[in-house]
Parts: sequence; structure tokens; C-alpha cells
Amino acid sequence: KAGVTQTPRYLIKTRGQQVTLSCSPISGHRSVSWYQQTPGQGLQFLFEYFSETQRNKGNFPGRFSGRQFSNSRSEMNVSTLELGDSALYLCASSLAGREAFFGQGTRLTVV
Amino acid sequence: QQQVKQSPQSLIVQKGGISIINCAYENTAFDYFPWYQQFPGKGPALLIAIRPDVSEKKEGRFTISFNKSAKQFSLHIMDSQPGDSATYFCAASREEYGNKLVFGAGTILRVKS
Repeated sequence: KAGVTQTPRYLIKTRGQQVTLSCSPISGHRSVSWYQQTPGQGLQFLFEYFSETQRNKGNFPGRFSGRQFSNSRSEMNVSTLELGDSALYLCASSLAGREAFFGQGTRLTVV
Repeated sequence: QQQVKQSPQSLIVQKGGISIINCAYENTAFDYFPWYQQFPGKGPALLIAIRPDVSEKKEGRFTISFNKSAKQFSLHIMDSQPGDSATYFCAASREEYGNKLVFGAGTILRVKS
């Protein structure tokens, strides 16, 4: 069974640009959550989507948004990038019972 | 109240020894406590998880001990091996928040051979 797939693995963007990250969950999983990982702040929850609806949202500015498609694939968008948005962005998928399985992440560098 | 405090920040253990990582939480509404292992360049991998109605859960060399009254839980890695060298995260969640996980700050474990 394929795991959680995140694309691209690495991204370099310039301040002010926007970026879209993609996540394909494990087949059959309907919940997709996004996390930001930085050395200073650790792992922080961004948002969760379940059956195309945002079910939960973390404490991030509105520049961070996401969506989920009918096939459970999810995208995360960050607009007007800031240097502080440089991080590893992780996607996790869940079937039931709250076991969350993470992808390898997308390393975003903002210059 | 949403925090999970993890200690120590780093840990060095001899091969064959026991590694112990501790976490504490405040919010008694948390009802699911997983541990994750992360290697450099990889995403966190679910190791083992426990719910508050159980005081201990063991899977292979990994054991979670849970103390509901003290609001603490810990990960024990028995017979630690160099391949266990990684960063370990505890986390907590509550049912009404779906799959949102609140993570501890992480513990960098190094097992010396």
C-alpha cells in the first residue's frame, strides 16, 4: 500500500511569491492534516480536511490556506511568502481512530 | 492548556541501555497520546500510541507508560540500538478536534555503540 505522497520535495521561492504544495493521502483515507515544522517552533498544526471540508484550523495567518478534492488529495497554498515561512511542510493522512501517517514533507525555502 | 511538554531535549544512551523520554500535559480532555520517530530528511513515523484507559502499552522494544492522575506519559526504548538514533516526539489529541495533534518539542536520541 502506498504511503502519503507529497510533492514537490523541495522548493525555493522568493519573498512575496505564492506557493502550492500537494499531498496524496493513503488510499481510502479521507482525513488530511497539514503541519509546519521549524527548528524554533517545532511541529505546528495548520489545518485538517475531511471529506472536502475544513474540520479544524491552527493559529496561522490567512495567507495559509488549503483545500481537499473529492479524491481526498489535498493542496496547501501560502501567499505573499515571508522569510519566516521557510520550513518543512508535512501532510498526514488518517483513516479512523486518529492514527496519523505522515509523508516525507516538502522543504520550502524562501529567499 | 494545549501544550505538551517534553523532556529531555537530548539524550545519549549506550547500546543495550534503556532510553526514557517523558511528556506532560495540562488539558485533561486529551484522550489519545501517540509517539513519533523522525529520522533526518524524513517525515515522522508513528511508533506507538495509548489512550487514557490503559496504564501501559508495549510493542516490541517500545513501551508507553501512562499516568493519568499525574498527567504524564513516557516512552521507554529497551535494548536501545544505534539504529534508534532519531528525534522522538510525543503528541496528544482530543476527539472533538478531529485529528489535530499537539506535539512536544522533541527529544534527540543518540545511541552510542
